[in-house]
Amino acid sequence: GAVVSQHPSRVICKSGTSVKIECRSLDFQATTMFWYRQFPKQSLMLMATSNEGSKATYEQGVEKDKFLINHASLTLSTLTVTSAHPEDSSFYICSARDPGSETQYFGPGTRLLVL
Amino acid sequence: EDQVTQSPEALRLQEGESSSLNCSYTVSGLRGLFWYRQDPGKGPEFLFTLYSAGEEKEKERLKATLTKKESFLHITAPKPEDSATYLCAVTGGTSYGKLTFGQGTILTVHP
Repeated sequence: GAVVSQHPSRVICKSGTSVKIECRSLDFQATTMFWYRQFPKQSLMLMATSNEGSKATYEQGVEKDKFLINHASLTLSTLTVTSAHPEDSSFYICSARDPGSETQYFGPGTRLLVL
Repeated sequence: EDQVTQSPEALRLQEGESSSLNCSYTVSGLRGLFWYRQDPGKGPEFLFTLYSAGEEKEKERLKATLTKKESFLHITAPKPEDSATYLCAVTGGTSYGKLTFGQGTILTVHP
């Protein structure tokens, strides 16, 4: 299957700082990428849909000013958690959608811990 | 609204003991049903995409099948390394590419 990378894999930061997570599609051009959040022992929760060259679409209840998404190219989307607080600590996972197969390929995830 | 229900929630098997996982779905205009495997602390790993009823796909010990209402993931002679959470998801004509996930089946294979 296609490869999607995420960086960093793990980050620890102080409360009030901002953290940027990168998601790259290595095998195909992805006009659409997605950002998810996963809590322990739960399924993935979609946060937002990232479309290349346009504004992201956020799911209900997700603060767009807190979770900034940029999809500047067909292979890169970034998620910035602004002014992070301990409640933002979670496992963040991105995916890239292959338009030819409708299939989403997922990155390995980023573990964020806010102290 | 698209819905996906997976059963059982957890399944314990002995090595070599074949079984099936179920994924029941309702979706408006199915565009794809997907199976993923997720190991703890990792992102979901793609297994299969099925597009229409009657379709089947195989990969090593895994076989996925699809009907108009459900999909099965058959595991033949499982090994301990098949232990993981298996996720089923669908996307439909009104989803704009978004996936609706089931809650997953936690599979444990004992040696």
